[in-house]
Amino acid sequence: EAQVTQNPRYLITVTGKKLTVTCSQNMNHEYMSWYRQDPGLGLRQIYYSMNVEVTDKGDVPEGYKVSRKEKRNFPLILESPSPNQTSLYFCASRGTGGTNSPLHFGNGTRLTVT
Amino acid sequence: GQNIDQPTEMTATEGAIVQINCTYQTSGFNGLFWYQQHAGEAPTFLSYNVLDGLEEKGRFSSFLSRSKGYSYLLLKELQMKDSASYLCAVRSPWGNYQLIWGAGTKLIIKP
Repeated sequence: EAQVTQNPRYLITVTGKKLTVTCSQNMNHEYMSWYRQDPGLGLRQIYYSMNVEVTDKGDVPEGYKVSRKEKRNFPLILESPSPNQTSLYFCASRGTGGTNSPLHFGNGTRLTVT
Repeated sequence: GQNIDQPTEMTATEGAIVQINCTYQTSGFNGLFWYQQHAGEAPTFLSYNVLDGLEEKGRFSSFLSRSKGYSYLLLKELQMKDSASYLCAVRSPWGNYQLIWGAGTKLIIKP
């Protein structure tokens, strides 16, 4: 089954403790992206990657890192999480079948930083 | 600036029709997407419009007017499972075709 898999689904951590949220897709998509979703706001892009070893900042990259060593994986790293990073995070991928290619989203990671 | 406006919340009755509007002011346009998102779940793709007019897909239709910066999603024969948020997103024509997202419209269906 074609899918984007994120782990974990839920994560509670404390300020300053480094964490990684994993994302993997099995559709051979070149494009991958991370979003955060907060109440009353639209999805905001954190980082995206057009291909292996090619990453770029989105609209809200501060406090986050990513890497793209393999096509299928695109982990999100929070080196020193803070409470304002408490949010619902989504990983997404997209094929290159044209500009109408939709994003495929993972099931989300709900992160709480205390 | 870039802005996408949608109503925050709408209520409709099972079996009825509802129209969810989306207006946008963006510095470019290369298509508009609608996604459905059930509470706590991932957004799922519903429709894509790049030319003016109506696109129909079963109970769901989406309309676009580029000159007015306006789109709507029309849901017919509403079912309880249609209770969800509906997200409007505009694709930029430049760079990496990034999406600009509205905050979403929460649709509540009542029996």
